[in-house]
Order: sequence, then C-alpha cells, then structure tokens
Amino acid sequence: DIRMTQSPASLSASLGETVNIECLASEDIYSDLAWYQQKPGKSPQLLIYNANSLQNGVPSRFSGSGSGTQYSLKINSLQSEDVATYFCQQYNNYPLTFGSGTKLEIK
Amino acid sequence: QVTLKESGPGILQPSQTLSLTCSFSGFSLSTYGMCVGWIRQSSGKGLEWLANIWWNDDKYYNPSLKNRLTISKDTSNNQAFLKITNMDTADTATYYCARSTYDGTYYPGDWWGQGVMVTVSS
Repeated sequence: DIRMTQSPASLSASLGETVNIECLASEDIYSDLAWYQQKPGKSPQLLIYNANSLQNGVPSRFSGSGSGTQYSLKINSLQSEDVATYFCQQYNNYPLTFGSGTKLEIK
Repeated sequence: QVTLKESGPGILQPSQTLSLTCSFSGFSLSTYGMCVGWIRQSSGKGLEWLANIWWNDDKYYNPSLKNRLTISKDTSNNQAFLKITNMDTADTATYYCARSTYDGTYYPGDWWGQGVMVTVSS
C-alpha cells in the first residue's frame, strides 16, 4: 500500500494569511493526488485533482502543486469559511489511501 | 445535479453482516467511466477507502478488510451496495458513498453522499 504522510496535523492561522499543507507519498504517485475539504459535520468535498487542477466551483485561492512523492495544498487569503479538515488522497494505485488530515483553525 | 444518499441499519451486533445501499441520481452506473466507491470514517478519525465498482462491473477492494467486503450495483434502480461480514466494534464509523469518473482524466470523489452512521454494539 502507498502510505500518505500529511503535515501538519493541525494549523492555526489568521484571516488573510496564506497556509500550506504538505503530503508525502511513500512512492511516486505520478500526480494522481487529490485534496478534499471536510467541514465539521459534513462530507468531504473535492478541491483539487491531478495534484494541481481546481475542481469546478472551488475558489481560486485554493491551489495544489507537486510531483513525484511530494505535494502541497496552498490556501491564499484565508477566509473564515476555510475552517475545516483537509485530506490528501492518492489514486495511482489500489488500495486508494488518504493522508491523516490537517485540521485548520482561525487564530 | 448529482446526488448520492446512503442508507443502512444504524445499529448492529458483533458478527452480523452490514448491508449498505447508496441511492444516486444525476448519472448512470451503466455509463462509460462512472464509478461508485465506499469510504468510511471513524469518529474524529481519518478516511479509509473500502471498495469501488465501475460502470463495466470492475470491482476493487481494500485488502486490509480481508475478504469481508462485497460491492455490487443495480443500474436499473441507480443503486450501489456494500456488504461487510463479521462486523466488529472497530467497524463503528460513518460510511460514505462517493462518485468518481473517468473520461481520460480521473476525477476522484467528485460527489459524496451525506454519510450514514453505523454502530456495532452488543
């Protein structure tokens, strides 16, 4: 199985700040990487696929980057509605695997 | 508009078999490139992928559940199903179904259901 190591586990930032969340795969996943946002009590929602493609309807302050084994999610100009837990997922190989999540709070 | 909704028993006893249904609209599982998968999340924990079924009936399972899983579909009624045998308290979780699509580009989990809570308790 491909192991996804996500960091940090939690993050506190001020409104308007830029935050970065990292995901490290245990082997090359060839950009088959998605990022999800899960707000409290809600289902996950797809933000980014193919490492850097923005899902329809997702604000442009979200962006993804990376290749090989290293990937990141960047949120520019943090808004209060961005409070959520963020997960990465690799879909290069079965079984599909997720990172352990990053809980983002407003300072 | 794509929607998915999970249904299940809510509570069951250890060793019983869990049967979940995912009822969906806005797409057909007989259409090329469509896929429905199941993912679960224990309270306050991370996400665990369980199984996928594709439009052509290809099925994939998480081997960590050691042959306890069976995924199936009813394209006529726009439903997908998951059975998990020999349930244990460790299987207590919220179970989600989610659509994925492939049209040359893979769109993983582009639509999710609201989830159904399943508690295993004696």
